[in-house]
Amino acid sequence: QVQLQESGPGLVKPSETLSLTCSVSGSSINNYYWSWIRQPPGKGLEWIGHIYDSGTTNYNPSLKSRVTISLDTSKKHCSLKLSSVTAADTAVYYCAREGYYDSSAYYFSGTFDYWGRGTLVTVSS
Amino acid sequence: DIVMTQSPDSLAVSLGERATINCKSSQSVSHSSNNKNSLAWYQQKLGQPPKLLIYWASTREYGVPDRFSASGSGTDFTLTINGLQAEDVAVYYCQQYYNTPWTFGQGTNVEI
Repeated sequence: QVQLQESGPGLVKPSETLSLTCSVSGSSINNYYWSWIRQPPGKGLEWIGHIYDSGTTNYNPSLKSRVTISLDTSKKHCSLKLSSVTAADTAVYYCAREGYYDSSAYYFSGTFDYWGRGTLVTVSS
Repeated sequence: DIVMTQSPDSLAVSLGERATINCKSSQSVSHSSNNKNSLAWYQQKLGQPPKLLIYWASTREYGVPDRFSASGSGTDFTLTINGLQAEDVAVYYCQQYYNTPWTFGQGTNVEI
């Protein structure tokens, strides 16, 4: 079955760069968008951005200047970097497979059918 | 950005009764080309990632019980849970995927 696993430091200092990796198993990493979504403790969900296997990316404008998402198709890894972090970036970070193929093999993006369990990143000195 | 607003923020329902959650988008998420609405619903239980329940505003994801139903078009959408069960206690989110950035409602907490 499809499994996603986020990994990375659970504690990052203010002004430093948050780096996370999502390992994908049970699914081709090609031909899908892979998204990062975050959730501050006790709060709602915020889409950070996504990447397609071609390397095409799309970021949330609220974070665009600080975010980089990359894909290593050989390792089946999707990575997130968020620079110049502050306490407001403290959140559970999820990676998720985005989109699906219908019976005509047409791809629809935008929904998230598989999620990792998430990893809590705390920004604190 | 399309702003998604859910109501109510919290809802207490007796076991076996109906729960109704509303979601309103700040602009239409309906595609005139195919009459589909780019609106999804997720369920998030405590300590777990969200789970996709509904997409295209009313299509249940494979394996989702049929007590979950959804409707709506344009800017107004509803998720209904008929015959609430204890395992349905969760926070429910709507999400639009009409335009990036994809955006979520603030969530509705459903409790017994």
